[in-house]
Amino acid sequence: AQSVAQPEDQVNVAEGNPLTVKCTYSVSGNPYLFWYVQYPNRGLQFLLKYITGDNLVKGSYGFEAEFNKSQTSFHLKKPSALVSDSALYFCAVRAFNDMRFGAGTRLTVKP
Amino acid sequence: DGGITQSPKYLFRKEGQNVTLSCEQNLNHDAMYWYRQDPGQGLRLIYYSQIVNDFQKGDIAEGYSVSREKKESFPLTVTSAQKNPTAFYLCASSIGTGGGYEQYFGPGTRLTVT
Repeated sequence: AQSVAQPEDQVNVAEGNPLTVKCTYSVSGNPYLFWYVQYPNRGLQFLLKYITGDNLVKGSYGFEAEFNKSQTSFHLKKPSALVSDSALYFCAVRAFNDMRFGAGTRLTVKP
Repeated sequence: DGGITQSPKYLFRKEGQNVTLSCEQNLNHDAMYWYRQDPGQGLRLIYYSQIVNDFQKGDIAEGYSVSREKKESFPLTVTSAQKNPTAFYLCASSIGTGGGYEQYFGPGTRLTVT
């Protein structure tokens, strides 16, 4: 069965520093991987996805993610964090007819 | 949240009452989904629909019902049989259900049952 794991409940970084939010996946077949962000009391917003091709995927708001097949990982990254990046981040993998989400990682960027 | 509307934003009900949550999309997407979000548990799939007049149970369908009479609309009814209905409910849609199609989410409805 398709699944993702987000090993960190919470990530804290200082503004201006690089950030990484980790995700590992388990799939049978080719992985279709996604990152979403959720602000308080809001729906999820799509950030980026990996389908095939380049291992480094660029998305919205300066975020990017690195697909690593050997490590079955799809970590979300940003070179310089902003306070406004503070939110809940979800990794997801496409399953047969739906999508499986991780439990989420809360990112806090401190000024 | 663009393209998908959910209403109301907050909903309060007494235990034992059925309640219907609205979800409408203007993205011309074939597939629609309902998720439940509880703190620390991510999103869990309740129901999904790939096409009008067809829907499938997700992981936690017990105590919920849906209909898909129009492409744009996918209402969710939380019945009195749902043992713990207080949660944040999210509706989503996508072009299709397979492959690399991302899902687009509505703003959510927070349901509180007392």
